[in-house]
Amino acid sequence: GENVEQHPSTLSVQEGDSAVIKCTYSDSASNYFPWYKQELGKRPQLIIDIRSNVGEKKDQRIAVTLNKTAKHFSLHITETQPEDSAVYFCAALYTNAGKSTFGDGTTLTVKP
Amino acid sequence: EAGVTQFPSHSVIEKGQTVTLRCDPISGHDNLYWYRRVMGKEIKFLLHFVKESKQDESGMPNNRFLAERTGGTYSTLKVQPAELEDSGVYFCASRGLGSTDTQYFGPGTRLTVL
Repeated sequence: GENVEQHPSTLSVQEGDSAVIKCTYSDSASNYFPWYKQELGKRPQLIIDIRSNVGEKKDQRIAVTLNKTAKHFSLHITETQPEDSAVYFCAALYTNAGKSTFGDGTTLTVKP
Repeated sequence: EAGVTQFPSHSVIEKGQTVTLRCDPISGHDNLYWYRRVMGKEIKFLLHFVKESKQDESGMPNNRFLAERTGGTYSTLKVQPAELEDSGVYFCASRGLGSTDTQYFGPGTRLTVL
């Protein structure tokens, strides 16, 4: 089955700096890669996603890159703000199967 | 539209007791998933319903867990009897049919087994 590894487990940055979280996956059949943000006590919320036919996608301060050959994808947050502090999960799935395989999560702390 | 809802938000039970968690997906979503996050680790897949049918239950840990989705609307996940290692946050997610693959998560039920 699919296995997703996520690094780092914790990340602390100064407000205004960039943050990068990396994930690798094992199953070459996976074709959809969402990223979720979970604030304390709240539900995981989709913040950005990328499909296997695209190498990069950007939405304001958030971008995701995908390298299918190396089977890794990354989340980039620029100009971080304290409200970006949360746990971020990457996931990989083969859309026909439907179930998501998640990374362990990265706790991002943005210091004012 | 209303999001995925889960009940209860918290449950504290003793080892050996029974607990039933409920998930109400977004109206019209045929796909319903159960996940669990234990001890701050990854969110792990438990099972997937398409309407009332179990599409994939490969993540169910053992036969103490029973999931149902009668009528293809809300779903329940029963743990009987509960063990200490069942403690964690149980998430439900739903997804519509069609081109979108986005799964929308509920707020989760935090289960503590003492």
